[in-house]
Amino acid sequence: DTGVSQDPRHKITKRGQNVTFRCDPISEHNRLYWYRQTLGQGPEFLTYFQNEAQLEKSRLLSDRFSAERPKGSFSTLEIQRTEQGDSAMYLCASSKTGFTEAFFGQGTRLTVV
Amino acid sequence: AQTVTQSQPEMSVQEAETVTLSCTYDTSESDYYLFWYKQPPSRQMILVIRQEAYKQQNATENRFSVNFQKAAKSFSLKISDSQLGDAAMYFCAYRNAGGTSYGKLTFGQGTILTVHP
Repeated sequence: DTGVSQDPRHKITKRGQNVTFRCDPISEHNRLYWYRQTLGQGPEFLTYFQNEAQLEKSRLLSDRFSAERPKGSFSTLEIQRTEQGDSAMYLCASSKTGFTEAFFGQGTRLTVV
Repeated sequence: AQTVTQSQPEMSVQEAETVTLSCTYDTSESDYYLFWYKQPPSRQMILVIRQEAYKQQNATENRFSVNFQKAAKSFSLKISDSQLGDAAMYFCAYRNAGGTSYGKLTFGQGTILTVHP
């Protein structure tokens, strides 16, 4: 088990394009989180999955954002009609119910030009 | 809503010396967890140390220890015998212990730690 894996590591896209990121959590981790981190700031919570159910979404997650976790394994985060303000690091984390520690992936750095 | 504040954007320390990073938080909950995470440049965030709010004893992990002051809502991190590998961005984070928190973390703004040889 190599930890939480995110793909791609970097993505440059033109404004208005759609992008999709993938997160593979640690196996047997039923909880999965997405966070957004802008330069020089702390991560901000976006959304949470318990198994395949999306149980919480932040107000930061506008209608252009959608996340899925089919079959409770990997998760995808899609941003439609990207804007320059979407440029950030998108972090995925996973944990197991009953355990306090969350493990983070290396993140996907998105640059919208 | 909970908030976490790190008032030191940058700190520096000489190798082998001790440095303390500050963190304050605000919550109306009585049961929660506090964490310090380390984020090296271009690398993933890793947990440094964890404190359960119901525990009065301060957590310690090797060279890392915390000063948890529940009444003051303060949670500082002390790094002893600093090493070059300690250079990173450090985040203080809060998590509710139960209810519908689902383990969601609230982070501070971070402190960049530089270690000078």
